[in-house]
Amino acid sequence: SQTIHQWPATLVQPVGSPLSLECTVEGTSNPNLYWYRQAAGRGLQLLFYSVGIGQISSEVPQNLSASRPQDRQFILSSKKLLLSDSGFYLCAWSGEESQPQHFGDGTRLSIL
Amino acid sequence: QKEVEQNSGPLSVPEGAIASLNCTYSDRGSQSFFWYRQYSGKSPELIMSIYSNGDKEDGRFTAQLNKASQYVSLLIRDSQPSDSATYLCAVISTGGFKTIFGAGTRLFVKA
Repeated sequence: SQTIHQWPATLVQPVGSPLSLECTVEGTSNPNLYWYRQAAGRGLQLLFYSVGIGQISSEVPQNLSASRPQDRQFILSSKKLLLSDSGFYLCAWSGEESQPQHFGDGTRLSIL
Repeated sequence: QKEVEQNSGPLSVPEGAIASLNCTYSDRGSQSFFWYRQYSGKSPELIMSIYSNGDKEDGRFTAQLNKASQYVSLLIRDSQPSDSATYLCAVISTGGFKTIFGAGTRLFVKA
């Protein structure tokens, strides 16, 4: 069966510091991968998605970036965090077209 | 702009009652429909998928789809306090893999 791992679970970072969140999927090949952010009490905001290695699409212009160095690895990065980057970051994967997404446990990011 | 609309709630029902959650979508070409449950502080969990008109039942959950009305619903029978969560409606359009999520409906089941 497929599993998705996301870490760390919680992160507290100062403003202006860099960020790296990692997500890996097991048990499937060539998944579609997604990064979402969810502000407290709000809906899901799609940040990036990827249909293959090195292929990244950005949904929202911001100071975040994403990379997919391996088939089942998806990384979310920032060079300098802003206060507005606080939130719950979720990685998800999906298989074939029209199939549902499955989420990792998420990373709760607080910026001080 | 493709949209998925849900009543934000909260929807409050007594234990043992039927909870009815509703969702409308704007893209008539949508083909895949999902319901996710999200407990406070946790990630969304897929609980139902439906692809054709009609009802689909899984345990206490029933998903209903009406493509002509662009409407999808989730019924929870014999609601339990453990069903208290936010329920997200999600839709994929034709030929797509990007999912459009509604903002969610908060459900409270009172013991």
